[in-house]
Amino acid sequence: GAVVSQHPSWVICKSGTSVKIECRSLDFQATTMFWYRQFPKQSLMLMATSNEGSKATYEQGVEKDKFLINHASLTLSTLTVTSAHPEDSSFYICSAGRQLETQYFGPGTRLLVL
Amino acid sequence: DQQVKQNSPSLSVQEGRISILNCDYTNSMFDYFLWYKKYPAEGPTFLISISSIKDKNEDGRFTVFLNKSAKHLSLHIVPSQPGDSAVYFCAASRGNQGGKLIFGQGTELSVKP
Repeated sequence: GAVVSQHPSWVICKSGTSVKIECRSLDFQATTMFWYRQFPKQSLMLMATSNEGSKATYEQGVEKDKFLINHASLTLSTLTVTSAHPEDSSFYICSAGRQLETQYFGPGTRLLVL
Repeated sequence: DQQVKQNSPSLSVQEGRISILNCDYTNSMFDYFLWYKKYPAEGPTFLISISSIKDKNEDGRFTVFLNKSAKHLSLHIVPSQPGDSAVYFCAASRGNQGGKLIFGQGTELSVKP
């Protein structure tokens, strides 16, 4: 299968700061990547679709000014949580796929906002 | 509106027996279905998928069955092993949605020795 990495794997930050999470497809190019969020004991909720060379498409209820997505190249997408607050604490996961059907997921990033 | 549903939050099975995980969906436009396995604090790992033009796909110990008329799919694991203990998510997508996946709530499988 395809390999997707995320960095950092976990981050603790103070309320009000911004945090950037990177998602990389290591052995393939991905024109589209996806960002998900998971709260404990809950399902993965799609936040946005990251498109290389164009603006991200956000799901309903997701603040685009708070969760900035940049798809800088065919192998890198970044999610920046701006002015983070404790309620933003969650597990953030990205995915990418060679083909549109099968998505391969990164290992996730645990964010804790104090 | 929960388009993909896994109604059993947990399932316990004896080692060597069959595990059957179920998933229902409401959107008849879904044309591709996937099963993922997930451990805590890790990303989901792809297991197996099925296109809507098929009713069965098999890969080793894992078989996925699709019943389009009932809008139901299931994952069979035979024989179950303790290492299979994890949370299993089913997901669905539409061909014209650019690969966007809609996930079920997950079922926690526990395989006891």
